[in-house]
Amino acid sequence: DQQVKQNSPSLSVQEGRISILNCDYTNSMFDYFLWYKKYPAEGPTFLISISSIKDKNEDGRFTVFLNKSAKHLSLHIVPSQPGDSAVYFCAASDNTDKLIFGTGTRLQVFP
Amino acid sequence: DTGVSQDPRHKITKRGQNVTFRCDPISEHNRLYWYRQTLGQGPEFLTYFQNEAQLEKSRLLSDRFSAERPKGSFSTLEIQRTEQGDSAMYLCASSLSGVSYNEQFFGPGTRLTVL
Repeated sequence: DQQVKQNSPSLSVQEGRISILNCDYTNSMFDYFLWYKKYPAEGPTFLISISSIKDKNEDGRFTVFLNKSAKHLSLHIVPSQPGDSAVYFCAASDNTDKLIFGTGTRLQVFP
Repeated sequence: DTGVSQDPRHKITKRGQNVTFRCDPISEHNRLYWYRQTLGQGPEFLTYFQNEAQLEKSRLLSDRFSAERPKGSFSTLEIQRTEQGDSAMYLCASSLSGVSYNEQFFGPGTRLTVL
C-alpha cells in the first residue's frame, strides 16, 4: 500500500526553465510534507517543507504547493540549474514522527 | 563536520553472517531514526529512538534486526544471520523533538551487500 506516490520516475528539463515535480498521497492524516534531494552515494538532503495548514511555501528558487482536497503536492524549481540534477523524494508524516517516502523522481537539467 | 555520520559506508558479507552498523546523530538531536532503501524505492522506516528509548518499530524489522541507543547518543543496528534480501542502503537520520516540524537530517548511509 503506497501511501505516497510519485508517478513520474524521471523528468528532463532545460536549464533556466521550470521543473515541476509531483506527488500524491492517500492518507488524510498526513499533516506535514517534505521534499528531499538525493545525489548518488549520499543520504537524502532536506530541501523544503510545508504544513497542511498552508497551501504554499517558498524558499528561493524552490516552491512547494499543497492541494489538500486533491491530496496532491508539487515542487517547483525556477530557474532550473544543472546542479539541481538529482533524485527528488516527496515525504509525508502524521503525528507518529516517521516519514513515509515516495519512490522518487529523477530530475535531469540539461544545458 | 557536525552532520549525521554512519560507519561503515559499505559492507559486503556472506549470507548467514552478522553485521553491525553505527550511526552518530547531530549532537543536540534527541531523536534518531533508521530507514532502509532498496533500488528504485524511497527510504522505508524501520525504527526510531527518543533519547535511549526505542519508541516504534516497523513490521519490516524482523526478529533478526535489533537496534540500540544505550546512552541516547550514537545508535547501532545489528542484523543477525543476514539474507540476500537484506541487501540495501541503511540510512540513519536525526531530529530535535519540540521543534514545530519534524525535519529529519540524514547521514550518507551504509550500503550492505549480502552474497
